[in-house]
Amino acid sequence: GAVVSQHPSRVICKSGTSVKIECRSLDFQATTMFWYRQFPKQSLMLMATSNEGSKATYEQGVEKDKFLINHASLTLSTLTVTSAHPEDSSFYICSAVIPGHQNSPLHFGNGTRLTVT
Amino acid sequence: AQTVTQSQPEMSVQEAETVTLSCTYDTSESDYYLFWYKQPPSRQMILVIRQEAYKQQNATENRFSVNFQKAAKSFSLKISDSQLGDAAMYFCAYRAYNTDKLIFGTGTRLQVFP
Repeated sequence: GAVVSQHPSRVICKSGTSVKIECRSLDFQATTMFWYRQFPKQSLMLMATSNEGSKATYEQGVEKDKFLINHASLTLSTLTVTSAHPEDSSFYICSAVIPGHQNSPLHFGNGTRLTVT
Repeated sequence: AQTVTQSQPEMSVQEAETVTLSCTYDTSESDYYLFWYKQPPSRQMILVIRQEAYKQQNATENRFSVNFQKAAKSFSLKISDSQLGDAAMYFCAYRAYNTDKLIFGTGTRLQVFP
């Protein structure tokens, strides 16, 4: 079946540094991917919609200069957390839907736990 | 704007018993999709069941079934013959027909006792 791979699963970085998270669709081409953020014991909040070959669409309140999204190919979207701050520590999950399958549910990556020290 | 509400932060059920998780939503759309996702401690999001709003028949997947009340904008999940492996966070989610964006509820933590 369709699989979305997310890497790394865990990352620890120091304040002020940047960290990149990758989201790959393994057996289908995803023109659109989504990035979610989940704080402990809370729900998934949509951060942005990643569009292949064009700029990402950010949800209200999400800083586009802090959370850089690049969707350079049909199988890869990256989220870069720039100038990381301890407040950015969270669980980040990507997802994708198979194009043309309107009724298809989203396929989720396994998530990345980011800890900023 | 669409919203999804799960009013039960936590629920518990005895193994082999039945439990119902509540979900309500708000939308002005007539065509949309509704989902229940399970998130075990591994944090992997697992699709449990989905419902198309245009279908009157309630979706069923083995021990999981929904009670979809479109007029009331209610979408509850019933888990029959609960198993220890059902223990997880359960998220109700809404997706408008013309978009792939999911809007999640706040989640219900389900505990299953032996």
